[in-house]
Amino acid sequence: NAGVTQTPKFQVLKTGQSMTLQCAQDMNHEYMSWYRQDPGMGLRLIHYSVGAGITDQGEVPNGYNVSRSTTEDFPLRLLSAAPSQTSVYFCASRDWAHEQYFGPGTRLTVT
Amino acid sequence: GQSLEQPSEVTAVEGAIVQINCTYQTSGFYGLSWYQQHDGGAPTFLSYNALDGLEETGRFSSFLSRSDSYGYLLLQELQMKDSASYFCAVRERNYGQNFVFGPGTRLSVLP
Repeated sequence: NAGVTQTPKFQVLKTGQSMTLQCAQDMNHEYMSWYRQDPGMGLRLIHYSVGAGITDQGEVPNGYNVSRSTTEDFPLRLLSAAPSQTSVYFCASRDWAHEQYFGPGTRLTVT
Repeated sequence: GQSLEQPSEVTAVEGAIVQINCTYQTSGFYGLSWYQQHDGGAPTFLSYNALDGLEETGRFSSFLSRSDSYGYLLLQELQMKDSASYFCAVRERNYGQNFVFGPGTRLSVLP
């Protein structure tokens, strides 16, 4: 099993550009989430999904969209990148239990 | 809403015991998790407490008191490789039983 994979590992965007961060898991987990982590801080929940076709907002959803068309994939879209979105983005998945498995992260810089 | 508090930094020597505290406020509490994160890496799961009491997993133990909205992570026989950031995370009702993370505690283990 590859677990949770994320692409790209690094990305630099200019203000106003849009892009999609990819996340995939091969563990057949129903629950998937996106977090952002700013330097020296904890993880903040952006959006989450409890199953294919079902998504909802987390703590800091503004400026981001998600979709969940399959169990495996949970892409995060930045609509119009801003410098305040410079961060490390982690995708996570879990089954009905409590242990979350995190991907390796995408390091995004917006200039 | 919800809030979590942890000490920002803790320092200990190799072989010692260290306790990292976490206090939380939340409107719909299900349980408390602990995660470890090394610099540049992804968070990895350590423990989960849904009920009051102590859970032990090798050198690590985690405690929860629901009535006090308090928990701690206890690390015994500290090793240099334990130098990392440690996050408590509340599983709560507001976000589909998802997890809200604390700000993290940076543990430095000295020789």
